[in-house]
Amino acid sequence: QQQVKQSPQSLIVQKGGIPIINCAYENTAFDYFPWYQQFPGKGPALLIAIRPDVSEKKEGRFTISFNKSAKQFSLHIMDSQPGDSATYFCAASMLRYALNFGKGTSLLVTP
Amino acid sequence: DGGITQSPKYLFRKEGQNVTLSCEQNLNHDAMYWYRQDPGQGLRLIYYSQIVNDFQKGDIAEGYSVSREKKESFPLTVTSAQKNPTAFYLCASRVGVGTEAFFGQGTRLTVV
Repeated sequence: QQQVKQSPQSLIVQKGGIPIINCAYENTAFDYFPWYQQFPGKGPALLIAIRPDVSEKKEGRFTISFNKSAKQFSLHIMDSQPGDSATYFCAASMLRYALNFGKGTSLLVTP
Repeated sequence: DGGITQSPKYLFRKEGQNVTLSCEQNLNHDAMYWYRQDPGQGLRLIYYSQIVNDFQKGDIAEGYSVSREKKESFPLTVTSAQKNPTAFYLCASRVGVGTEAFFGQGTRLTVV
C-alpha cells in the first residue's frame, strides 16, 4: 500500500505564483522527508529535505513545512518560474530502509 | 566526476527474454536501490542492498533479480517472469541512513 500520499496529481500556476504540494504519511517511525524534482527523461534530484524535529526549512525559493502531529508535510515554491515546471515527488524513510515515494505532482508554470 | 551511471539509456526486449540493466556508482556509497517508474505511479521499490553480497526485496520484486558482488555495481535482471516490464527504471545510491539518495539517469525498457 502507498505509504506516502501526495496531492494534487497535477498543478498549473502562473509565473510568480506559489504552488503548494502536500504529502501525508502514516508511519510515525519515518524520520527523513525529502522532496525530489524530476525533468522528463531524467532521474530525480534532491531539492530539499527535512527531519521531524524541525517544523520548517527553507532553501532558496523552496520551503518545506512539516506538521508532525498531523503527519503531513508540504512543499512551497516561492516566485515560481517556467523553469520550475517538472514533476515533484515527496518521500519518507526510516532507519536503514529505502525511500518511500509519493505518486508525484506534475507542475506547470505558465509565463 | 562522481555519480551513478545507468546503461543502456534505452533497451528493447522481446517477449520471453531476460535483460540486464547496469548500474555503477563511484560515490563509495554502501546502499543501492532499484526503482520502477510508471506514469502516475511514482517510484516503486524493486530491490535494495545495504552492503555487498546482501540485498532485500522491495515492494514489487516479482520477476526481477539482482546481485551485489561489488560495492560499485548493482545490476538488475528483468526476467521473462515479469509480465509487464515496460517502464522507466531508476537506480539510486546513498551513503547511509537518512541521507540524500542520488539517482542515475534511468533506463527506459520497452517490450517489443
